[in-house]
Amino acid sequence: GAVVSQHPSWVICKSGTSVKIECRSLDFQATTMFWYRQFPKQSLMLMATSNEGSKATYEQGVEKDKFLINHASLTLSTLTVTSAHPEDSSFYICSAQLQGNYGYTFGSGTRLTVV
Amino acid sequence: GQQVMQIPQYQHVQEGEDFTTYCNSSTTLSNIQWYKQRPGGHPVFLIQLVKSGEVKKQKRLTFQFGEAKKNSSLHITATQTTDVGTYFCASLLTGANNLFFGTGTRLTVIP
Repeated sequence: GAVVSQHPSWVICKSGTSVKIECRSLDFQATTMFWYRQFPKQSLMLMATSNEGSKATYEQGVEKDKFLINHASLTLSTLTVTSAHPEDSSFYICSAQLQGNYGYTFGSGTRLTVV
Repeated sequence: GQQVMQIPQYQHVQEGEDFTTYCNSSTTLSNIQWYKQRPGGHPVFLIQLVKSGEVKKQKRLTFQFGEAKKNSSLHITATQTTDVGTYFCASLLTGANNLFFGTGTRLTVIP
């Protein structure tokens, strides 16, 4: 089945620094990947759609200069949270869809804490 | 934009009792998917419904898509402690491939 690997699982960083999160499709190619953010006890909010070889598409209200997305290959998308602040502390999850499957496969998520 | 609400927000049941979560949309949905997220985990795909009035079953889980394709439900018969988690409905915008999630229902099963 489709497997999406996400690293790191958790990260603590200082306010003002940047953090990179990686999302890899392990056994399939994903021309499109999706990045979500989930605050405690809330639903998943789509942040952006990552497109291989082109610019990401951001949802309304998501700052593209703050959340940099790079999808340089068919199996890797990265999300960089730049100049992180405590309010950016959240659970970030990526997902992709194996062609032919209905459901989306999610990475294990990255819990970011900004101190 | 598209909004999908789920009720209830939380549900505590005694093990063995049934559980139902409802998903309601303000607009007609082309499809509905259901996911389960265990505490501390990530969403796991359960099923997709596409047809009006469609009903699908997975063991103790029964999924239904409304006739008007604006609502859906997930019913669990005789809950077990392994059913604990948050159940989300989600939908794709027509012609798009990005998935939008409902507000979720958190299920607690008391042994």
